[in-house]
Amino acid sequence: DAGVIQSPRHEVTEMGQEVTLRCKPISGHDYLFWYRQTMMRGLELLIYFNNNVPIDDSGMPEDRFSAKMPNASFSTLKIQPSEPRDSAVYFCASTTAGRTGELFFGEGSRLTVL
Amino acid sequence: QKEVEQDPGPLSVPEGAIVSLNCTYSNSAFQYFMWYRQYSRKGPELLMYTYSSGNKEDGRFTAQVDKSSKYISLFIRDSQPSDSATYLCAMAITGGGNKLTFGTGTQLKVEL
Repeated sequence: DAGVIQSPRHEVTEMGQEVTLRCKPISGHDYLFWYRQTMMRGLELLIYFNNNVPIDDSGMPEDRFSAKMPNASFSTLKIQPSEPRDSAVYFCASTTAGRTGELFFGEGSRLTVL
Repeated sequence: QKEVEQDPGPLSVPEGAIVSLNCTYSNSAFQYFMWYRQYSRKGPELLMYTYSSGNKEDGRFTAQVDKSSKYISLFIRDSQPSDSATYLCAMAITGGGNKLTFGTGTQLKVEL
Protein backbone atom coordinates (compact mmCIF):
# COMPACT_ATOMS: atom_id res chain seq x y z
CA ASP A 1 0.00 0.00 0.00
CA ALA A 2 1.19 3.52 -0.71
CA GLY A 3 2.06 5.58 2.33
CA VAL A 4 1.32 9.24 2.92
CA ILE A 5 2.40 11.20 -0.12
CA GLN A 6 3.58 14.79 0.12
CA SER A 7 4.57 17.28 -2.53
CA PRO A 8 6.75 19.08 -3.24
CA ARG A 9 9.64 17.43 -1.41
CA HIS A 10 11.67 20.61 -1.62
CA GLU A 11 10.59 24.19 -2.13
CA VAL A 12 12.77 27.27 -2.26
CA THR A 13 10.94 30.57 -2.54
CA GLU A 14 11.38 34.22 -1.83
CA MET A 15 9.86 36.14 1.02
CA GLY A 16 6.36 37.31 0.21
CA GLN A 17 5.54 34.49 -2.18
CA GLU A 18 2.66 32.08 -1.72
CA VAL A 19 3.55 28.49 -0.86
CA THR A 20 1.20 25.52 -1.19
CA LEU A 21 2.08 22.14 0.26
CA ARG A 22 0.05 19.08 -0.64
CA CYS A 23 -0.75 15.80 1.05
CA LYS A 24 -2.47 12.57 0.10
CA PRO A 25 -3.24 10.47 3.20
CA ILE A 26 -3.38 6.69 3.33
CA SER A 27 -6.64 5.43 1.92
CA GLY A 28 -9.17 4.69 4.65
CA HIS A 29 -7.55 6.91 7.25
CA ASP A 30 -9.92 9.47 8.75
CA TYR A 31 -7.45 11.64 10.66
CA LEU A 32 -4.99 13.96 8.96
CA PHE A 33 -2.34 16.05 10.71
CA TRP A 34 0.01 18.82 9.61
CA TYR A 35 3.21 19.19 11.65
CA ARG A 36 6.16 21.55 11.31
CA GLN A 37 9.67 20.48 12.38
CA THR A 38 12.59 22.77 13.18
CA MET A 39 15.78 22.16 15.10
CA MET A 40 14.83 24.64 17.78
CA ARG A 41 11.20 23.68 18.38
CA GLY A 42 11.01 20.08 17.21
CA LEU A 43 7.72 18.73 15.84
CA GLU A 44 4.84 21.13 16.34
CA LEU A 45 1.24 20.29 15.50
CA LEU A 46 -0.27 22.94 13.28
CA ILE A 47 -3.74 21.57 12.59
CA TYR A 48 -5.60 18.29 12.37
CA PHE A 49 -8.72 17.09 10.59
CA ASN A 50 -11.15 14.29 11.34
CA ASN A 51 -13.37 13.17 8.48
CA ASN A 52 -12.24 16.24 6.50
CA VAL A 53 -13.35 18.66 9.23
CA PRO A 54 -10.76 20.81 11.02
CA ILE A 55 -10.81 19.86 14.70
CA ASP A 56 -7.95 21.82 16.24
CA ASP A 57 -6.08 24.63 14.50
CA SER A 58 -4.64 26.18 17.65
CA GLY A 59 -1.11 25.45 16.43
CA MET A 60 -1.44 27.50 13.26
CA PRO A 61 1.05 30.33 13.82
CA GLU A 62 -0.94 33.18 12.36
CA ASP A 63 -3.36 34.19 9.67
CA ARG A 64 -0.74 33.71 6.99
CA PHE A 65 -1.26 29.96 7.38
CA SER A 66 -4.35 28.14 6.17
CA ALA A 67 -5.21 24.49 5.61
CA LYS A 68 -7.99 22.75 3.75
CA MET A 69 -9.18 19.22 3.25
CA PRO A 70 -11.72 19.24 0.43
CA ASN A 71 -12.04 15.44 0.39
CA ALA A 72 -10.76 12.33 2.14
CA SER A 73 -7.79 11.93 -0.18
CA PHE A 74 -6.31 15.42 -0.35
CA SER A 75 -5.21 18.26 1.89
CA THR A 76 -3.29 21.49 1.40
CA LEU A 77 -1.34 23.78 3.68
CA LYS A 78 -0.91 27.28 2.34
CA ILE A 79 1.37 30.06 3.52
CA GLN A 80 0.67 33.53 2.15
CA PRO A 81 2.80 35.61 2.32
CA SER A 82 5.78 33.47 3.25
CA GLU A 83 8.54 34.71 5.57
CA PRO A 84 12.09 33.42 6.27
CA ARG A 85 10.99 32.20 9.72
CA ASP A 86 8.61 29.78 8.00
CA SER A 87 11.60 27.77 6.78
CA ALA A 88 11.14 24.26 8.16
CA VAL A 89 10.19 20.73 7.22
CA TYR A 90 6.43 20.32 7.03
CA PHE A 91 5.06 16.84 7.64
CA CYS A 92 1.67 15.42 6.89
CA ALA A 93 0.52 12.36 8.82
CA SER A 94 -2.60 10.24 8.82
CA THR A 95 -4.17 7.57 10.96
CA THR A 96 -7.47 5.99 11.85
CA ALA A 97 -9.56 5.93 15.01
CA GLY A 98 -8.45 2.50 16.14
CA ARG A 99 -4.76 3.36 16.13
CA THR A 100 -4.32 5.74 19.04
CA GLY A 101 -0.74 6.96 19.12
CA GLU A 102 0.23 5.60 15.73
CA LEU A 103 0.63 8.24 13.09
CA PHE A 104 1.86 7.45 9.60
CA PHE A 105 4.07 10.25 8.34
CA GLY A 106 4.97 11.32 4.85
CA GLU A 107 8.54 12.13 3.95
CA GLY A 108 8.01 15.84 4.46
CA SER A 109 8.24 19.01 2.42
CA ARG A 110 11.41 20.99 3.09
CA LEU A 111 10.64 24.69 2.73
CA THR A 112 13.27 27.39 2.46
CA VAL A 113 12.13 31.01 2.33
CA LEU A 114 14.87 33.41 1.28
CA GLN B 1 8.08 25.09 30.25
CA LYS B 2 7.30 22.62 27.52
CA GLU B 3 4.85 19.80 28.21
CA VAL B 4 7.44 17.24 27.08
CA GLU B 5 11.18 17.65 27.63
CA GLN B 6 13.84 15.62 25.89
CA ASP B 7 17.61 16.02 25.80
CA PRO B 8 18.54 16.73 22.16
CA GLY B 9 21.96 15.08 22.38
CA PRO B 10 23.77 14.20 20.20
CA LEU B 11 24.52 10.90 21.87
CA SER B 12 27.38 8.84 20.46
CA VAL B 13 27.95 5.24 21.57
CA PRO B 14 30.05 2.29 20.35
CA GLU B 15 28.38 -0.62 18.60
CA GLY B 16 27.01 -3.14 21.09
CA ALA B 17 26.42 -0.59 23.85
CA ILE B 18 23.18 -0.26 25.80
CA VAL B 19 21.49 3.03 25.04
CA SER B 20 19.12 4.86 27.39
CA LEU B 21 16.90 7.62 26.05
CA ASN B 22 14.56 9.58 28.29
CA CYS B 23 11.74 12.10 28.40
CA THR B 24 10.00 13.93 31.18
CA TYR B 25 6.55 15.44 31.00
CA SER B 26 4.33 17.73 33.00
CA ASN B 27 0.77 16.83 31.94
CA SER B 28 -0.54 14.12 34.27
CA ALA B 29 -3.40 13.45 31.83
CA PHE B 30 -1.07 11.71 29.37
CA GLN B 31 -1.98 8.02 29.16
CA TYR B 32 -0.40 6.93 25.86
CA PHE B 33 3.37 6.96 25.48
CA MET B 34 5.16 6.36 22.22
CA TRP B 35 8.66 6.33 20.82
CA TYR B 36 9.19 7.29 17.20
CA ARG B 37 12.37 6.82 15.19
CA GLN B 38 13.31 9.28 12.48
CA TYR B 39 16.08 8.63 9.99
CA SER B 40 17.75 11.58 8.30
CA ARG B 41 15.47 13.30 5.77
CA LYS B 42 12.62 10.89 6.46
CA GLY B 43 9.38 11.10 8.38
CA PRO B 44 9.10 9.68 11.91
CA GLU B 45 7.87 6.11 12.28
CA LEU B 46 6.38 4.44 15.33
CA LEU B 47 8.83 2.24 17.19
CA MET B 48 7.19 1.46 20.54
CA TYR B 49 3.79 2.08 22.11
CA THR B 50 2.79 1.83 25.78
CA TYR B 51 -0.49 2.52 27.50
CA SER B 52 -0.29 3.83 31.09
CA SER B 53 2.56 2.60 33.31
CA GLY B 54 4.85 -0.37 33.00
CA ASN B 55 7.35 -1.93 30.66
CA LYS B 56 7.11 -3.20 27.13
CA GLU B 57 9.75 -5.19 25.30
CA ASP B 58 10.15 -5.74 21.57
CA GLY B 59 13.36 -7.42 20.50
CA ARG B 60 16.28 -5.21 21.45
CA PHE B 61 14.00 -2.37 22.51
CA THR B 62 12.38 -1.83 25.92
CA ALA B 63 10.06 1.04 26.78
CA GLN B 64 9.41 2.01 30.39
CA VAL B 65 6.83 4.39 31.80
CA ASP B 66 6.90 5.74 35.35
CA LYS B 67 3.80 7.89 35.72
CA SER B 68 4.53 8.72 39.37
CA SER B 69 7.73 10.45 38.27
CA LYS B 70 6.37 11.59 34.90
CA TYR B 71 9.35 9.93 33.24
CA ILE B 72 9.62 7.59 30.29
CA SER B 73 12.60 5.71 28.91
CA LEU B 74 13.63 3.75 25.85
CA PHE B 75 16.45 1.21 26.16
CA ILE B 76 18.25 -0.21 23.16
CA ARG B 77 20.35 -3.33 23.79
CA ASP B 78 23.23 -4.40 21.57
CA SER B 79 23.02 -1.17 19.61
CA GLN B 80 23.81 -1.31 15.90
CA PRO B 81 24.94 1.34 13.41
CA SER B 82 21.49 0.99 11.81
CA ASP B 83 20.01 2.36 15.05
CA SER B 84 21.62 5.73 14.28
CA ALA B 85 18.66 8.09 14.03
CA THR B 86 16.73 10.68 15.99
CA TYR B 87 14.38 9.24 18.61
CA LEU B 88 11.31 11.24 19.54
CA CYS B 89 9.05 10.54 22.47
CA ALA B 90 5.37 11.32 22.03
CA MET B 91 2.38 11.37 24.35
CA ALA B 92 -1.38 11.56 24.15
CA ILE B 93 -4.38 11.81 26.44
CA THR B 94 -7.41 9.53 26.37
CA GLY B 95 -10.05 10.94 24.05
CA GLY B 96 -7.57 13.37 22.57
CA GLY B 97 -8.41 12.46 19.02
CA ASN B 98 -4.99 11.05 18.21
CA LYS B 99 -3.40 14.41 18.94
CA LEU B 100 0.20 13.71 19.93
CA THR B 101 2.64 15.97 21.77
CA PHE B 102 6.23 15.26 20.77
CA GLY B 103 9.55 15.82 22.47
CA THR B 104 12.22 17.58 20.41
CA GLY B 105 14.09 14.33 19.79
CA THR B 106 17.47 12.87 20.77
CA GLN B 107 19.98 12.31 18.00
CA LEU B 108 21.78 8.97 18.40
CA LYS B 109 24.88 7.80 16.58
CA VAL B 110 26.14 4.25 16.97
CA GLU B 111 29.75 4.00 15.87
CA LEU B 112 31.55 0.92 14.52
